[in-house]
Amino acid sequence: EAQVTQNPRYLITVTGKKLTVTCSQNMNHEYMSWYRQDPGLGLRQIYYSMNVEVTDKGDVPEGYKVSRKEKRNFPLILESPSPNQTSLYFCASRTSFAGNTIYFGEGSWLTVV
Amino acid sequence: GQQLNQSPQSMFIQEGEDVSMNCTSSSIFNTWLWYKQEPGEGPVLLIALYKAGELTSNGRLTAQFGITRKDSFLNISASIPSDVGIYFCAGQLIQGAQKLVFGQGTRLTINP
Repeated sequence: EAQVTQNPRYLITVTGKKLTVTCSQNMNHEYMSWYRQDPGLGLRQIYYSMNVEVTDKGDVPEGYKVSRKEKRNFPLILESPSPNQTSLYFCASRTSFAGNTIYFGEGSWLTVV
Repeated sequence: GQQLNQSPQSMFIQEGEDVSMNCTSSSIFNTWLWYKQEPGEGPVLLIALYKAGELTSNGRLTAQFGITRKDSFLNISASIPSDVGIYFCAGQLIQGAQKLVFGQGTRLTINP
């Protein structure tokens, strides 16, 4: 079954404590992305990767880092989380071919206090 | 960054009614996508549009790619309770590109 798996699904953490949200896809997709979803703003792209070791900033990259050492994994790293990073995060993947469906993970609820 | 203006932000309708929502942009997009998100899940693609003027249906859903390439609409006919959710439009400047811009979402609530 085609899947994008995120962990953790829910997390409450404190300001400044580094955390990583993992993302893994089993479809051998080249493209992977991270989005955050906030009320009234829809989904905004944080970072994306077009293949292994190729990453680039999206619309709201500040405060985040990513890495793409393997094709299947694309972790999102918050080095020093702040309350304004409280949000619902989605990982997504797709092939590099035009028109192919983007598959989203189930989302990770992150609260920074 | 770029953003799409999606309206309405929320809709409260009776079961059986038709629904219409739209997205507009100041920029031209070459692909328009419509997604639905249910509670606790990620967005799922409903319809993809690739040509200006294109009208595409998926069951009770119909979407159109505006002639100007700056807008798109989604219609749902004869709504049923399982249509409840948040609907997002998304645009791609270049087909197949990684960059995807989302609208703010339309939250649909249906009274049985």
